[in-house]
Amino acid sequence: EIVLTQSPGTLSLSPGERATLSCRASRSVSSNYLAWYQQKPGQAPRLLIYGASSRATGIPDRFSGSGSRTDFTLTISRLEPEDFAVYFCQQYGSSPGSFGQGTKLEIK
Amino acid sequence: EEQVLESGGGLVQPGGSLRLSCAASGFTFGDYAMSWVRQAPVKGLEWVSTISASGQTTYYADSVKGRFTIFRDNSKNTLSLQMNSLRVEDTAVYYCAKAPLLFGWFDPWGQGTQVTVSS
Repeated sequence: EIVLTQSPGTLSLSPGERATLSCRASRSVSSNYLAWYQQKPGQAPRLLIYGASSRATGIPDRFSGSGSRTDFTLTISRLEPEDFAVYFCQQYGSSPGSFGQGTKLEIK
Repeated sequence: EEQVLESGGGLVQPGGSLRLSCAASGFTFGDYAMSWVRQAPVKGLEWVSTISASGQTTYYADSVKGRFTIFRDNSKNTLSLQMNSLRVEDTAVYYCAKAPLLFGWFDPWGQGTQVTVSS
């Protein structure tokens, strides 16, 4: 199973700032099959990015994904108050699919 | 709007059984694979099971294989998860999710249903 390690564990930023979240895989993710999700307290995860860089329907363009093989990044260009949440990455290129442990994005 | 809504969670003793259900709306249910994903406070998110669009093929995580059974009724737009021989470590919030690819990302997710296994 591919192990995904997200960093940092917690990221403290202010609205308007740029956020960069990392997801590192224990081995290469086939075909860049990597997704990112946002989860707010008491809510289900919401898909943001799939295929490493494709935005899901309805996701604002301040969210972008990049990377390949073992290193992937989620960037939020200018943080809005509603962006403070926990973010997870998921690889689906190798069975079983696996998730990272999450990065908590909190207001500084 | 695509939606999935889980039900059936609760408190059960170790060794007991529980059946979760998921009602889907807003999309052609029979065209998509469906999955269950669980989230436990310590272990985080874990894929549990996936069923093909037709229902003919099923897949399970090693941790639940032989104990859980996924099935669907395309005429009623419902997905189910029969959980037997439950263990304390099965305690989690269980999410139903649409899987655009048989093995892919999940979108959308339901609001989740809590399963607690405890004596």
